[in-house]
Amino acid sequence: NAGVTQTPKFQVLKTGQSMTLQCAQDMNHNSMYWYRQDPGMGLRLIYYSASEGTTDKGEVPNGYNVSRLNKREFSLRLESAAPSQTSVYFCASSEVGANQETQYFGPGTRLLVL
Amino acid sequence: LAKTTQPISMDSYEGQEVNITCSHNNIATNDYITWYQQFPSQGPRFIIQGYKTKVTNEVASLFIPADRKSSTLSLPRVSLSDTAVYYCLVGDGSGYSTLTFGKGTMLLVSP
Repeated sequence: NAGVTQTPKFQVLKTGQSMTLQCAQDMNHNSMYWYRQDPGMGLRLIYYSASEGTTDKGEVPNGYNVSRLNKREFSLRLESAAPSQTSVYFCASSEVGANQETQYFGPGTRLLVL
Repeated sequence: LAKTTQPISMDSYEGQEVNITCSHNNIATNDYITWYQQFPSQGPRFIIQGYKTKVTNEVASLFIPADRKSSTLSLPRVSLSDTAVYYCLVGDGSGYSTLTFGKGTMLLVSP
């Protein structure tokens, strides 16, 4: 039982390049989330998916797109990376909505955009 | 979204009890209060969750007064490995809406 896994662990991009961050969970959770965390800051929600086939914007969705490929996988895509997207990206999953249930986080992807 | 306010940082020594208080004046009737712990270079980890009064698990205790406008995370006999950022979160009561992570409280435990 690996929990929540994320790939890659590290990535360096040039401005304007695109990339997809992958996330998978093996806990059969319905809800999945993408957060970003900037130095010294808390986590900010980018997008979330309450269930397979649905996605919704969070606090900071601009510059990102997501795909809920199936119940296990939730990917985050940067179409044209910008230096402001340099951050650590965390994926999380939970059984029910985040209101009452706990979220389980992945180890994070550290992204540097030059 | 219900917002939370907690101290930016706290210092303690090994073996002491640490209490971190969080204010959430706009907590909704259906909201739960959840605390997470985050070590450097790791994702947050669930510590404890409660709705009212007191909740205790093997890691911590959570005290919630009757008005639920604040909560206190209590860590008994901290060790160096408890040095981390602690986040207090409340749901906003709207079903699948999301938790809001503030900046958290940086707890530094010294020998």
